[in-house]
Amino acid sequence: EDQVTQSPEALRLQEGESSSLNCSYTVSGLRGLFWYRQDPGKGPEFLFTLYSAGEEKEKERLKATLTKKESFLHITAPKPEDSATYLCAVQAVFRSGGGADGLTFGKGTHLIIQP
Amino acid sequence: SAVISQKPSRDICQRGTSLTIQCQVDSQVTMMFWYRQQPGQSLTLIATANQGSEATYESGFVIDKFPISRPNLTFSTLTVSNMSPEDSSIYLCSVVEGRPGYTFGSGTRLTVV
Repeated sequence: EDQVTQSPEALRLQEGESSSLNCSYTVSGLRGLFWYRQDPGKGPEFLFTLYSAGEEKEKERLKATLTKKESFLHITAPKPEDSATYLCAVQAVFRSGGGADGLTFGKGTHLIIQP
Repeated sequence: SAVISQKPSRDICQRGTSLTIQCQVDSQVTMMFWYRQQPGQSLTLIATANQGSEATYESGFVIDKFPISRPNLTFSTLTVSNMSPEDSSIYLCSVVEGRPGYTFGSGTRLTVV
């Protein structure tokens, strides 16, 4: 069974204080690992997709990296507007039962950036 | 990327009743997905809906409780039947358009009283 574990569950940082969020996963075979941002009352907003170990992607203050067991979302010099819940999800090559193309999500990291 | 509209955005329903949630996409997509996000929990896939075929349900979800329609390539509905307070959740529609991946609607916040 595919599993995604995110840590920490919550993180409070001062503006400008860099940090990293962790996403550990177990999957039968990885087709893709996804990072999303979710603001209260809204649906997840796509950030990155990573496909193979060693891959990195950047967008503004965010950088996502991938190994064979985990992914990190690095936040550099965050601003209050970066406050949100960050979700990690995996798409497996094989899924037992159900549809073959759905995502398995972690519970997310609730990030608060204080000014 | 596709733009998804979900209706209603929120509702409060009496136990024992049913609610149908609509998902409209501004482009034609092959696969549509329905997820549930319970308070404090991760998003959980309910089913995959392809146009012209029966929806494929995940373990723990059944068609009698969550019937899905997919009449064309831009529209789908999810019905939550015979509701109980445990069905109180956010329900999300999602589509995939090749790479980079999946787009989500803004969700329907359901409260069952």
